[in-house]
Amino acid sequence: AQSVAQPEDQVNVAEGNPLTVKCTYSVSGNPYLFWYVQYPNRGLQFLLKYITGDNLVKGSYGFEAEFNKSQTSFHLKKPSALVSDSALYFCAVRDGRNNDMRFGAGTRLTVKP
Amino acid sequence: DVKVTQSSRYLVKRTGEKVFLECVQDMDHENMFWYRQDPGLGLRLIYFSYDVKMKEKGDIPEGYSVSREKKERFSLILESASTNQTSMYLCASSLQRGLGGELFFGEGSRLTVL
Repeated sequence: AQSVAQPEDQVNVAEGNPLTVKCTYSVSGNPYLFWYVQYPNRGLQFLLKYITGDNLVKGSYGFEAEFNKSQTSFHLKKPSALVSDSALYFCAVRDGRNNDMRFGAGTRLTVKP
Repeated sequence: DVKVTQSSRYLVKRTGEKVFLECVQDMDHENMFWYRQDPGLGLRLIYFSYDVKMKEKGDIPEGYSVSREKKERFSLILESASTNQTSMYLCASSLQRGLGGELFFGEGSRLTVL
C-alpha cells in the first residue's frame, strides 16, 4: 500500500522567511500527491496536488510544492511565511488505481513574528 | 462549494455504548471516507466506500463498522465503544475512482469515551 513520511514533527520559521515542509512517499504505481492544512479544531483543507505535468505545483495562499520523482519527494514551500500560516500540515498520497488516500503524521508549522 | 457535514462536533459516551457518527455530502461524490486522527499518528483510514452499499476496510477497521445506504450519507458505527476509541473522527468525500481527486473534509467529530 502507498505511504508517506513527514520527517519533521515541528518546523519553526520567522515571518518573512521562506518555509519548507518535507514529505517523501512510497507508491507502486503513479503517485497522486496532495497537501492539506488543518487549523485548530477544524477539518482539513486542500492546498494543492500533483497529478501529472509540471513538477512545480502552485496552490492556495501562495504555497507551492515540488515533485521530485528520483527522490520520491513532494516538499511544500512558500517564499515568505506569514504568522497566519501557523497550522498543522499533512502530506497525502494516492496511487492511480485505488480510491484510498494515505496521510503522513503531520508537521506543525509555527511562524513567529 | 462542497459541503461535508458531520452530525456532531463533540460527543461523550460511556464504555460499551453504541455510537453512530453521521456524515452527509452535498456534491454527488462517489467516494466517502472515515479517518481517525490522533496526535503523532496523523490520519488513519478506517473504512471507505466508492458506491452505495459498498465498503472497503482501511488500515484500522477493528471495532468499527460502516453503512452507506444512500450516496450522500456514510455512517460510522462503534458497536461497543471503548476508551481507546477516544479520538477525532474525520469524514471526507471525493469524486470518482481513479481521477486523483482531492478529498473534501467535514469539521470533525471529537469523541470521548469514558
